[in-house]
Amino acid sequence: AQTVTQSQPEMSVQEAETVTLSCTYDTSENNYYLFWYKQPPSRQMILVIRQEAYKQQNATENRFSVNFQKAAKSFSLKISDSQLGDTAMYFCAFMDPNRDDKIIFGKGTRLHILP
Amino acid sequence: DARVTQTPRHKVTEMGQEVTMRCQPILGHNTVFWYRQTMMQGLELLAYFRNRAPLDDSGMPKDRFSAEMPDATLATLKIQPSEPRDSAVYFCASGRQHPTGELFFGEGSRLTVL
Repeated sequence: AQTVTQSQPEMSVQEAETVTLSCTYDTSENNYYLFWYKQPPSRQMILVIRQEAYKQQNATENRFSVNFQKAAKSFSLKISDSQLGDTAMYFCAFMDPNRDDKIIFGKGTRLHILP
Repeated sequence: DARVTQTPRHKVTEMGQEVTMRCQPILGHNTVFWYRQTMMQGLELLAYFRNRAPLDDSGMPKDRFSAEMPDATLATLKIQPSEPRDSAVYFCASGRQHPTGELFFGEGSRLTVL
């Protein structure tokens, strides 16, 4: 079965620092999609960044970037120049287009940005 | 501003009662997912639909949970009878079929079963 593992239940960093959230996954597929979602304290979940497995280039969205290591099945999220508004729960997610686009999530990492 | 709408936002009920949660997906989205969020398990996939047809409901306790899409504008998740262990936040999310894969989430329904 496909799984998504986030090994860091909780993290804290000082404002303006860089932080990296880890995610590993397990699949036998070669083509798939990976996502990071953010859930602020208000609960509304939003997409942060998306990576297609067949693209070698790491995705970047402003201060957010990923380190996608396909062979290692690793998909970490780096937040640069962290801001107080980055405080949230972050979920890593995996989508398999070969299995009806099923999307599964990791258990999440609670990130606290400290002033 | 298109968004996924979930009702109720909060529900407190007693064990054994029936609970129905509703979701209105974004117009034009043809996939709908139901997830349950708890501290221990994170986000668990309960069921999902494409074009109103159920694709996978293996994450649901079949004896008490049921999910349906009576029409393209409404998805329902029903628990009967409810139990205290069902207490959680239930999220509905909708999206267009691959290739984007992006899901748009509702604000969730917080269920408390006493």
